[in-house]
Amino acid sequence: GAVVSQHPSWVICKSGTSVKIECRSLDFQATTMFWYRQFPKQSLMLMATSNEGSKATYEQGVEKDKFLINHASLTLSTLTVTSAHPEDSSFYICSARARAASEQYFGPGTRLTVT
Amino acid sequence: AQKVTQAQTEISVVEKEDVTLDCVYETRDTTYYLFWYKQPPSGELVFLIRRNSFDEQNEISGRYSWNFQKSTSSFNFTITASQVVDSAVYFCALSEAWAAGNKLTFGGGTRVLVKP
Repeated sequence: GAVVSQHPSWVICKSGTSVKIECRSLDFQATTMFWYRQFPKQSLMLMATSNEGSKATYEQGVEKDKFLINHASLTLSTLTVTSAHPEDSSFYICSARARAASEQYFGPGTRLTVT
Repeated sequence: AQKVTQAQTEISVVEKEDVTLDCVYETRDTTYYLFWYKQPPSGELVFLIRRNSFDEQNEISGRYSWNFQKSTSSFNFTITASQVVDSAVYFCALSEAWAAGNKLTFGGGTRVLVKP
C-alpha cells in the first residue's frame, strides 16, 4: 500500500528558532501534498495544499511567511515553521495524493514542542 | 462551504457493547467522498472507509459497519461487540470533487473509550 513518512517524529526547539519537517511519499509520486495541524484534543485543521512545482495554497488564517511549504519533488514536501513560538506547539500531519487519485495517504505526524 | 459535525465528543462503553458514532455533513457538491479515520493514542491516522456520494449501500467490514443516508446527510459508523483496542478518537471527513483538490474537512472527532 501507499506509505507516507514524516521526519522527525518529534522535535523540541527553543522559541525564536526555525524547524523543518519533512514529508515523503515512499512508493508513489505525490502530485499533491497537504499539511494539517492538530492541537491537543482537537480535530485536524488543513493548513495548506501544495502541488509539486508550484506555490502552496494556504487556508484562511494561516500565515504563509511563518509556515513555509516547499514541494520541490514528487516525493518530498517540507514544512518550515519559522521563528517558532510556544503557541506553534502542535501535532503536524501531512498527507499525499497521487495524480488523478481521490485517496490521500497520511504520514504518522510530527509532534512539535516549542519551549 | 463544506462542514462535518460529530455531535458526540466522547462515548464510554463496556467491552462487548455496540457503539454508534454519528456524522452529519454539509456540502453543495453533488459529487463528494466521505471517510472515517481512527486515531489511536500514537497519533497516526488509520483509514477505515471511503464512500462516494453515489454509493448509498451500507457496508460491513468485520465488526465495523457504516450507514450512509443521503436524505439526512449522515454517515454513521457502528462498532459491534467493542473491544479495548477500539479505544481511540474517530474522525469523519468529507472531500469535495477533484476540482477542489480533494481537501479534507474533518469533523471534531469522537473519543471512544472501551472499558474492560
